[in-house]
Amino acid sequence: QVQLVQSGAEVKKPGASVKVSCKASGYTFRHYGITWVRQAPGHGLEWVGWISPYNGNTEYAQKVQGRVTMTTDTSTTTAYMELWSLRSDDTAVYFCARDAQELVPAHYGMDVWGQGTTVIVSS
Amino acid sequence: DIQMTQSPSSVSASVGDRVIITCRASQGISRWLAWYQQKPGKAPKLLISAASSLQSGVPSRFSGSESGTDFILTISSLLPEDFATYYCQQGNSFPLTFGGGTKVDI
Repeated sequence: QVQLVQSGAEVKKPGASVKVSCKASGYTFRHYGITWVRQAPGHGLEWVGWISPYNGNTEYAQKVQGRVTMTTDTSTTTAYMELWSLRSDDTAVYFCARDAQELVPAHYGMDVWGQGTTVIVSS
Repeated sequence: DIQMTQSPSSVSASVGDRVIITCRASQGISRWLAWYQQKPGKAPKLLISAASSLQSGVPSRFSGSESGTDFILTISSLLPEDFATYYCQQGNSFPLTFGGGTKVDI
């Protein structure tokens, strides 16, 4: 079945970096964009960025611009999000999610979500 | 950036009630509006895309509509499993943005 499986929880110190993976299966990986969304404890959903596995195009939220890199490995159908210079306000559950429409970025929302990866930034 | 203003932020309701949640975009987004349901400790679930298209498997008591830059999610008759937080999200342009959420509780 179509699914996204994310890597496990991380605890990092301020200033460190974290790399979260998102393994896709059950569909043509290259044809669907991947969005990363985070949710701080007790807060709403915040868009972090988007990547096209088809051509590698990326879009990032201004809040993380310059501190984030999103990549994909089509050979392993895995998406990655690396965030560095971590701060306490990066503490959140990070979700990867698949565009709902093949080869159409973003318009139709995200229909398949990973289980979430908790990232805690604490000294 | 397009701001999404969602209201109310919370609503107390009972089983069988009709619940209406509104989302207003700060500028035109055509019909590129999605609605999600999220339960505690779980990933969001896509309910409706393109303002009014019900996702496969989503019960018909959920519906979406639009009027200009205003978008409405209606739950026609609340069931116990519908108590959750609901979010709107615009997909018209990057950066994608979410509404602040509406918690539906008893």
